[in-house]
Amino acid sequence: DIQMTQSPSSLSASVGDRVTITCQASHDINKYLFWYQQKPGKAPKLLISDASNLEIGVPSRFSGSGSGTVFTFTISSLQPEDLATYYCQQYENPMVTFGPGTKVDIK
Amino acid sequence: QVQLQESGPGLLKPSETLSLTCVVSGYSISSGYYWGWIRQPPGKGLEWIGSVFHSGKTYLNSSLKSRVTLSVDTAKNHFSLRLSSMTAADTAVYYCARDRHDGLDVWGQGTTVTVSS
Repeated sequence: DIQMTQSPSSLSASVGDRVTITCQASHDINKYLFWYQQKPGKAPKLLISDASNLEIGVPSRFSGSGSGTVFTFTISSLQPEDLATYYCQQYENPMVTFGPGTKVDIK
Repeated sequence: QVQLQESGPGLLKPSETLSLTCVVSGYSISSGYYWGWIRQPPGKGLEWIGSVFHSGKTYLNSSLKSRVTLSVDTAKNHFSLRLSSMTAADTAVYYCARDRHDGLDVWGQGTTVTVSS
C-alpha cells in the first residue's frame, strides 16, 4: 500500500504570508495527487486535482505542483478564511489514501 | 447542482451493525462515477472506507474489508454502507462523496455515529 506523509503537521502564519505544505508518497504516483481543504465542522472540499489543476471556483491564491513522490501545495497570500486543515490524497487505483493533514492557523 | 445527504442512526451499541444511506440529488447514479464513504474519528484525519460503482462493483479499504458492505440502488438514486461488529473505535463522522477517480468532488455534510453501551 502507498503511504502518504505531510509536513508540517501544523503551522501558524500571518494574513498575507505565503504558505507551503509538502506531501510525499512512498511510491511513484505520477501526477495523481489531490488536495482538500477542511474547515472546522465542515466536510472536506476538493481544491486541486491531478497535482496542479485548480477546481472550478477555487481562488487562484491556491496552487499545487509536483509529480512522482513529492508534491507541494501553496497559498500565495494567506487569508483569514483559509483557516483549515489541508489533506493530500492519492489513488492506488482504485484504492484511496489520505495524508495525515496539515492544520493552518492564522496568527 | 449535485447534492449528497447521509442518513442513519447516530448511536449504536458495541457489536451492532451500522447502516447508512446517502441520497443523491441533481445527478443520476446510473450515469456513472463511483460513490464513496469516508470517515473521520473525533479530532483525527480522514479514512477512506470504500467506493461503489453504479454497476455495484465495490472497492474497499483492506483494513475494513471484512466488515464492510457497499451497495447502490439506482431506482432510489442512493447508495449504502453497512459496517458490522461496531466498536468504540468506529465512532466517527461518516461522509459520503462522489468519487470521480480524479478526486472526491461532492461531499455530504456528514453524519455523526457514536458507538457506546
